[in-house]
Amino acid sequence: AQSVAQPEDQVNVAEGNPLTVKCTYSVSGNPYLFWYVQYPNRGLQFLLKYITGDNLVKGSYGFEAEFNKSQTSFHLKKPSALVSDSALYFCAVSNTGGFKTIFGAGTRLFVKA
Amino acid sequence: ETGVTQSPTHLIKTRGQQVTLRCSSQSGHNTVSWYQQALGQGPQFIFQYYREEENGRGNFPPRFSGLQFPNYSSELNVNALELDDSALYLCASSLDKNSPLHFGNGTRLTVT
Repeated sequence: AQSVAQPEDQVNVAEGNPLTVKCTYSVSGNPYLFWYVQYPNRGLQFLLKYITGDNLVKGSYGFEAEFNKSQTSFHLKKPSALVSDSALYFCAVSNTGGFKTIFGAGTRLFVKA
Repeated sequence: ETGVTQSPTHLIKTRGQQVTLRCSSQSGHNTVSWYQQALGQGPQFIFQYYREEENGRGNFPPRFSGLQFPNYSSELNVNALELDDSALYLCASSLDKNSPLHFGNGTRLTVT
């Protein structure tokens, strides 16, 4: 069965500092991994994905994520946080069948000025 | 390019009633997925439709049902509403089964 774990309910970081939002996953077969961001009372917006290839993938708004197969992790990173990055972030995984994308519980990111 | 649109935006129903939520997928997308997001939680997968056929289902009872139409728009029907069905219902379309999901802004359902 597929599952996604986001171990931190909340991450606090000062503006200009690097940020990391953690994600680990479990899926049979090769994983398709995604990060989404949600602003208040809105649907989710796609940030980036890993399907195959380079373990470091780059996405929207300066975000990137590193796929680590041995640790079954897909942590979201940004070198320099902005106050406007404050939002709810979700990690998601689907398998090669692609019929079900499962989301983690979410991590709330607070960036302080 | 028109994004995913959902209607209505808000809805209040009474326990035991039935509800239909609607979703227009993004142009060119043939796959639609529905999610339930309770307050403070991640989206829970309800089911996915691919070219008008149910393609996968999460752990939701049969009173949650859906349809996808030839133009790839979709409906989510919930019968015999329960208080715990109160949530934000999100529709997402995608170009194919493993492409990123494009979400609508959701329908906020309140069951009293």
